[in-house]
Formats: sequence, structure tokens, C-alpha cells
Amino acid sequence: AQTVTQSQPEMSVQEAETVTLSCTYDTSENNYYLFWYKQPPSRQMILVIRQEAYKQQNATENRFSVNFQKAAKSFSLKISDSQLGDTAMYFCAFSTQGGSEKLVFGKGTKLTVNP
Amino acid sequence: DSGVTQTPKHLITATGQRVTLRCSPRSGDLSVYWYQQSLDQGLQFLIQYYNGEERAKGNILERFSAQQFPDLHSELNLSSLELGDSALYFCASSPGLAPLTYEQYFGPGTRLTVT
Repeated sequence: AQTVTQSQPEMSVQEAETVTLSCTYDTSENNYYLFWYKQPPSRQMILVIRQEAYKQQNATENRFSVNFQKAAKSFSLKISDSQLGDTAMYFCAFSTQGGSEKLVFGKGTKLTVNP
Repeated sequence: DSGVTQTPKHLITATGQRVTLRCSPRSGDLSVYWYQQSLDQGLQFLIQYYNGEERAKGNILERFSAQQFPDLHSELNLSSLELGDSALYFCASSPGLAPLTYEQYFGPGTRLTVT
């Protein structure tokens, strides 16, 4: 079975500080894609960052970066210089290459950025 | 704004009723996905269509059905509604299939409340 585990239901961080959200996954596939989605109080699902499993280089998008450890099946998200607008639920997800591109989601981490 | 539109935004209906949720994908996107977000089940994949054809099914109940029309918009039909069907229903779209394109962009969701 393909599963995603986010072990931190809730986290908090002070504004301007750095926080790391954890994610582990389980799949027997070799080719897959990993994502972090953000869901603010508006409930909109926003793609934050993506990583192809065949790429060794960790993806970076402005203040957001990932630490992808393929052997350990780990995909953590680091948010630098946290801003109040980063307050949201963060979901880790992956999709495989064949059959269906459906996303399998973790249960999410609720991140609160404090002023 | 992801470019994916969903109507209606909110829907309140009674048990036993039938409703239709509508989704228009981003311009040019051929794949449409439906997801259900509930408190107890989290985010779950329901069904995927690609260029009018059903591509994959997930945890979709037999009371639920979907289709994608020639203009690529999609509809999710929910019938014999139960209290447990109350959830946020998301539509997402992507340009094509992996590995060429795999990012999914989500609509704002339809909040369904069954009373």
C-alpha cells in the first residue's frame, strides 16, 4: 500500500525563524513525484514545492526547500524566514508515474506562525 | 487563482437527496481529478478522468459517479446522500499524464453539508 505519514499534527514557529515539517512515505515504485501543498484558512489547496524522485538535487522555491532522502523515504519541508501568511495546514503528497497520477496525501501538519 | 473553477462554493441539502458538483479545469488541461476532504478520512482521491475517459478510481462510493464532457469540464454526482457525505470536494487538473506533466492544480472546492 502507498502511504504518507506526517508525524507532527501541529507545530508553531516565531515569525522570521525557520521550521521543518517532516514527511515519510512508503511505495514500491521507483519513479514518483513528491509534493507539499499548503491549505490556509481559506481552504484553497496551493502547491508549494515539488520534487521528482529521480532528481538527487533538492528542490527550492524562494523560502521553501526540501530535504529529500530517497533511501529513507523521507521528504521534509523547510520554511525559512517564516511569515504570518505561512500559517496553514501543510500536506505532504506523492504520485506515481504509471496507472494513475492520483495524489496520496498525509494527514497534514497544522503550522502556526506567531508574531 | 489556480485557474480551476468549481461551482457551487457551498451546498446544503438533506439526506437522501442528489447533488451535482461542477468543475472546469485550467485552459488546456486534459486530466481532471476529484478529491474528498473530511475530518475523519482526510484528503482522499475519488476518481480521475483524462480527455473524456475514466482513468482511475479510488475510494469512490457506488452512490457517487462522475463524467468528463467533450469541453473537458467535469461533474461529480452524489446521490442518496448521507450525513457522512458532508465534506469539502475538490477538483484538480493537470495538463496531461506523467511523466510529461504531473502537477495538479486545485479548485477552491465545494463545501457540501448534508442535514
